[in-house]
Amino acid sequence: AQKVTQAQTEISVVEKEDVTLDCVYETRDTTYYLFWYKQPPSGELVFLIRRNSFDEQNEISGRYSWNFQKSTSSFNFTITASQVVDSAVYFCALSEAGYSGNTGKLIFGQGTTLQVKP
Amino acid sequence: DGGITQSPKYLFRKEGQNVTLSCEQNLNHDAMYWYRQDPGQGLRLIYYSQIVNDFQKGDIAEGYSVSREKKESFPLTVTSAQKNPTAFYLCAAAAPRGQGFLAFFGQGTRLTVV
Repeated sequence: AQKVTQAQTEISVVEKEDVTLDCVYETRDTTYYLFWYKQPPSGELVFLIRRNSFDEQNEISGRYSWNFQKSTSSFNFTITASQVVDSAVYFCALSEAGYSGNTGKLIFGQGTTLQVKP
Repeated sequence: DGGITQSPKYLFRKEGQNVTLSCEQNLNHDAMYWYRQDPGQGLRLIYYSQIVNDFQKGDIAEGYSVSREKKESFPLTVTSAQKNPTAFYLCAAAAPRGQGFLAFFGQGTRLTVV
């Protein structure tokens, strides 16, 4: 069955520290997509990144970087030199697009609350 | 501005009452979704629609109903059959990107039973 696990419920760091948010997924599909979304206190989910199952290249965008490893079914997210504005809930999500059907449905992890203290 | 508009932002429901949450999008996306978020939990899919006049149940559809009469609108009704409706509700719209979809979300409606 498909599942996304974010084992870290809450993380607290001091500004300028690096922090990694873990995400482990389960799927039987060979074609799937992985996402990270940020949920600030306002509530809206903000899209950060999408990765397909055939592209294991790591990606860096400014202070954000993502490490996708199919061998361990993980898609971890690292924030370098964290800032107070990074404080939010972060969700990892999975969308299957193979034999399960391509519907765009998202399976979410439980979320990790990141608090960055000044 | 392009995007997804949910209204109202806060909604209070009395026991036994039906309420309808609005979701409108001007992104011209075919697919729309309703998710429910409970404290400390991830989002769970209630209903989704991939085309006008068609919709499918998600994982937690009981006690909810939807309609999709127009491409830009996907309202969610929380019926009296939903025994624990207090939650944060998020609407999303998605368009194909490559082989998959990319979803964008509204700002949510917080529903409280009083």
